[in-house]
Amino acid sequence: DAGVTQSPTHLIKTRGQQVTLRCSPKSGHDTVSWYQQALGQGPQFIFQYYEEEERQRGNFPDRFSGHQFPNYSSELNVNALLLGDSALYLCASSPGHIKGETQYFGPGTRLLVL
Amino acid sequence: AQSVTQPDIHITVSEGASLELRCNYSYGATPYLFWYVQSPGQGLQLLLKYFSGDTLVQGIKGFEAEFKRSQSSFNLRKPSVHWSDAAEYFCAVGTPGGYNKLIFGAGTRLAVHP
Repeated sequence: DAGVTQSPTHLIKTRGQQVTLRCSPKSGHDTVSWYQQALGQGPQFIFQYYEEEERQRGNFPDRFSGHQFPNYSSELNVNALLLGDSALYLCASSPGHIKGETQYFGPGTRLLVL
Repeated sequence: AQSVTQPDIHITVSEGASLELRCNYSYGATPYLFWYVQSPGQGLQLLLKYFSGDTLVQGIKGFEAEFKRSQSSFNLRKPSVHWSDAAEYFCAVGTPGGYNKLIFGAGTRLAVHP
């Protein structure tokens, strides 16, 4: 049983560009959450997708957007990249209909903005 | 607002010594509580979780944690540390009324001396 997978593993972009990160959830999971982990900090919640809709959102600007596909995989898009967007982006999946269920994390995508 | 505090940024212990990592949370009711571990360049792995019931929780790799409502704490312990335990440890809370959104502490980096 494959766990949560993310692609790409690493990415280098320049300021002002746009980036798309991808996530495939663990088998049987229908909810995907995205987190940003800046260097030396804990992960911060960006948003969560369930049934192809954004269900909950953290304190991130509209430059951060997402999508969930019918197969439950998800994308995170960031527009107009800033230097401060450099971070490890983590995807987590869980069964969305069970509150408090454990989230399983992928290995992350490390984004560097120059 | 919910928050998590991990007072110790860095901890160094000798191999074979006992370990306690501190975690305090702020939440109006009893939250769901988690400890995750992150090795360099890796995603997050769940060590243990508390939802309700017995306040002493056993996890993987010989770790345990105790929920103390009166102190709003959920400290992680291990009786004998192995060199492979060197990593960063994150405490997180999930709100029962939410949809599995996690709020993380800033983490504690553990170094193990031989």
